[in-house]
Amino acid sequence: AQSVTQLGSHVSVSEGALVLLRCNYSSSVPPYLFWYVQYPNQGLQLLLKYTTGATLVKGINGFEAEFKKSETSFHLTKPSAHMSDAAEYFCAVSAHTGGFKTIFGAGTRLFVKA
Amino acid sequence: GAVVSQHPSRVICKSGTSVKIECRSLDFQATTMFWYRQFPKQSLMLMATSNEGSKATYEQGVEKDKFLINHASLTLSTLTVTSAHPEDSSFYICSAKTRHPQSSYEQYFGPGTRLTVT
Repeated sequence: AQSVTQLGSHVSVSEGALVLLRCNYSSSVPPYLFWYVQYPNQGLQLLLKYTTGATLVKGINGFEAEFKKSETSFHLTKPSAHMSDAAEYFCAVSAHTGGFKTIFGAGTRLFVKA
Repeated sequence: GAVVSQHPSRVICKSGTSVKIECRSLDFQATTMFWYRQFPKQSLMLMATSNEGSKATYEQGVEKDKFLINHASLTLSTLTVTSAHPEDSSFYICSAKTRHPQSSYEQYFGPGTRLTVT
């Protein structure tokens, strides 16, 4: 079984500052890891994913995340926040067992201050 | 590519009526579709997994007689909320997986349907 924990339901940063959203996972088999962004009343947009290979993955809009197996973490970062980054972010995990069912974290609301 | 649509985007219905939500994969064939429910300011909760041509698999605590799922083709799944009550008001999101083995781990999400039961 898989699970995801996102540390911090709300994160606030100033425009231009580093964005760090934390995600820890639990999985008994090699996981597939995802970060999604959701704007109000919209569906989910995939930011980036890790499946195999390079542990540092780059996504859209300048986001990247690093898979650290030893720490069971997949934190999302962006060097410089934009106002348009304000949204809800979900970390998710799935695996080939269980039919690739995706388990979502509780989400982190990112606020960006001018 | 890999676009998933949902219809309607918003629906208001009266208590006791039924409402159907459609989920379509527009440019790919989806072997599996998932239905999620999202309450305000909360995460997505998986309701059921739907495979083309077979019965849906419901998650624990989800009433299968209330939330009827049909996956009649490789591009269409429907969720029918029967005898809707105000507590069924929520944001419903579907997702679809392709049948391409190299992308089988990835889901593509629809834009969601806002259901309000009055």
